[in-house]
Amino acid sequence: GQQVMQIPQYQHVQEGEDFTTYCNSSTTLSNIQWYKQRPGGHPVFLIQLVKSGEVKKQKRLTFQFGEAKKNSSLHITATQTTDVGTYFCAGGGATNKLIFGTGTLLAVQP
Amino acid sequence: DSGVTQTPKHLITATGQRVTLRCSPRSGDLSVYWYQQSLDQGLQFLIQYYNGEERAKGNILERFSAQQFPDLHSELNLSSLELGDSALYFCASSRGANVLTFGAGSRLTVL
Repeated sequence: GQQVMQIPQYQHVQEGEDFTTYCNSSTTLSNIQWYKQRPGGHPVFLIQLVKSGEVKKQKRLTFQFGEAKKNSSLHITATQTTDVGTYFCAGGGATNKLIFGTGTLLAVQP
Repeated sequence: DSGVTQTPKHLITATGQRVTLRCSPRSGDLSVYWYQQSLDQGLQFLIQYYNGEERAKGNILERFSAQQFPDLHSELNLSSLELGDSALYFCASSRGANVLTFGAGSRLTVL
């Protein structure tokens, strides 16, 4: 079945450093979504990418969708303590299932 | 408040028992999704309903069942509970484009 892997599993950074998480799907995706889950919270939708090679920005966050629509990345510039949490990608395929990646836990040290 | 309501927030029960988790979707959303989140498994897709009909199925165990009612609320029934069923169960709803709004989750502990 469809699998979505993320690396790294965990990243610890100093406040102000950049952070990137990578997402890879075993199958071609129709779209990719990114969610953030704060500690003790629930996943919250951040963004959706649909087009091959698409790049979207939200303030310090940059999201990319690969040309082959099988991979994606999330880059945070100059991390802040409010960025702490687990970042999940979620791939939409031919079926209606939205398969979540394994997640990357980001810790930010002030 | 995301608009998706899940009850109960916490549930402690014993092995072999049966529980029902309830979800009310955000107003206007026709789709309901159930996910299981445990420490070592991430967010596992269980099942999706759209306007009362089952739309997609994930790795949902045969001991688990779900339904969506005419008023669009959904219930996830977990039976013959095992220790390994202890997890956070999330419900999410969507209006379209598969963009999910999650509830706060129901934490199930099986002793």
